[in-house]
Amino acid sequence: AQKVTQAQTEISVVEKEDVTLDCVYETRDTTYYLFWYKQPPSGELVFLIRRNSFDEQNEISGRYSWNFQKSTSSFNFTITASQVVDSAVYFCALSEPYSNDYKLSFGAGTTVTVRA
Amino acid sequence: DVKVTQSSRYLVKRTGEKVFLECVQDMDHENMFWYRQDPGLGLRLIYFSYDVKMKEKGDIPEGYSVSREKKERFSLILESASTNQTSMYLCASSLGQGAHNSPLHFGNGTRLTVT
Repeated sequence: AQKVTQAQTEISVVEKEDVTLDCVYETRDTTYYLFWYKQPPSGELVFLIRRNSFDEQNEISGRYSWNFQKSTSSFNFTITASQVVDSAVYFCALSEPYSNDYKLSFGAGTTVTVRA
Repeated sequence: DVKVTQSSRYLVKRTGEKVFLECVQDMDHENMFWYRQDPGLGLRLIYFSYDVKMKEKGDIPEGYSVSREKKERFSLILESASTNQTSMYLCASSLGQGAHNSPLHFGNGTRLTVT
């Protein structure tokens, strides 16, 4: 069973539009960690954020923000005022330290294309 | 900055060949990982290692083996390459115990084509 679902395969926006990437996860652990990674065309995945299951505060970092809702098992990612440099594949991932230590479960990824 | 270097960006091999993918990290990380990335499937863990000479199977280890003789180097071996192993291979490293403790640092990937 897929532990992390990124329902959006591709999203295309015009520069300066906001874009929200959905991530829904599934776990029975009470302690777990959620991640977002960005993979630009160069291929190297870059870590964006880690959130543990006990911290439901939303987080903002520049134009990036994350909305973590345990009630709906979602960890959505919003890019505000998108730029061409935001074009990349974005992956959501789940770590379950007690039932699946060391192993990150990745979603299929969402390809974001920002057009000038 | 942590640097994870994969020896080849592109490789083309024939069915049945033995293939070595090399990965080196320069930040003294304990943990190293090999993933493969396929469209629609995200990243899937092949093998990982949390110490020199230690290795653990990931989710899809069949057809692969690994070697970690030195802390900085983690090699992925395809014993007899097959066309269904055509994929993008990503190496990663991390510090500390457990994937949840620190973020993964990835290399640029090796796109392997098996013909």
